[in-house]
Amino acid sequence: AQKVTQAQTEISVVEKEDVTLDCVYETRDTTYYLFWYKQPPSGELVFLIRRNSFDEQNEISGRYSWNFQKSTSSFNFTITASQVVDSAVYFCALSETPVGDDKIIFGKGTRLHILP
Amino acid sequence: DTEVTQTPKHLVMGMTNKKSLKCEQHMGHRAMYWYKQKAKKPPELMFVYSYEKLSINESVPSRFSPECPNSSLLNLHLHALQPEDSALYLCASSQVMGETQYFGPGTRLLVL
Repeated sequence: AQKVTQAQTEISVVEKEDVTLDCVYETRDTTYYLFWYKQPPSGELVFLIRRNSFDEQNEISGRYSWNFQKSTSSFNFTITASQVVDSAVYFCALSETPVGDDKIIFGKGTRLHILP
Repeated sequence: DTEVTQTPKHLVMGMTNKKSLKCEQHMGHRAMYWYKQKAKKPPELMFVYSYEKLSINESVPSRFSPECPNSSLLNLHLHALQPEDSALYLCASSQVMGETQYFGPGTRLLVL
């Protein structure tokens, strides 16, 4: 069965520090997608990234970077030089079949507090 | 443009009321979703429409009734809700089922 584990329930860091959010997944499929979403206090889930299982290249987008390692079934997310606006709940998610009937399975989320 | 809109933003209703939540997207997406999210929990899938047909119903109680009048619109009709139904209701859409889902801002529902 598919499962997403975000072991860090809550993290607090001081502004400008780097922070890494961990995500470990379980799946039987060889073809799957991994996602990160951000949910600020306003409530909207904001899509950040999608990575397919065949692409293990790390990705960088501004202050955000993602490290996908199939060997450890992890898809970690790092924010460099954190800012107060990064404060939010971050969800890692897994979809086993890119196009089909399968659903997105969300982890329980990591609440990130960036302290000024 | 990856915008999904939802109305209303907030809703307070009594247990005997009937109300509807509305979701709209103009991205040409053919899959639309309703999620329920309780505080400090991840979103839970309720319904999925694919090409305007109900594709997934996650055993949601019949007091929640979805409707997809056309490819851009998704409604959730509410009737005889319970206080435990109070939650954030999120709508999402994707190009087709299984592709990246884009979420709306949600409707915060309080049932008294």
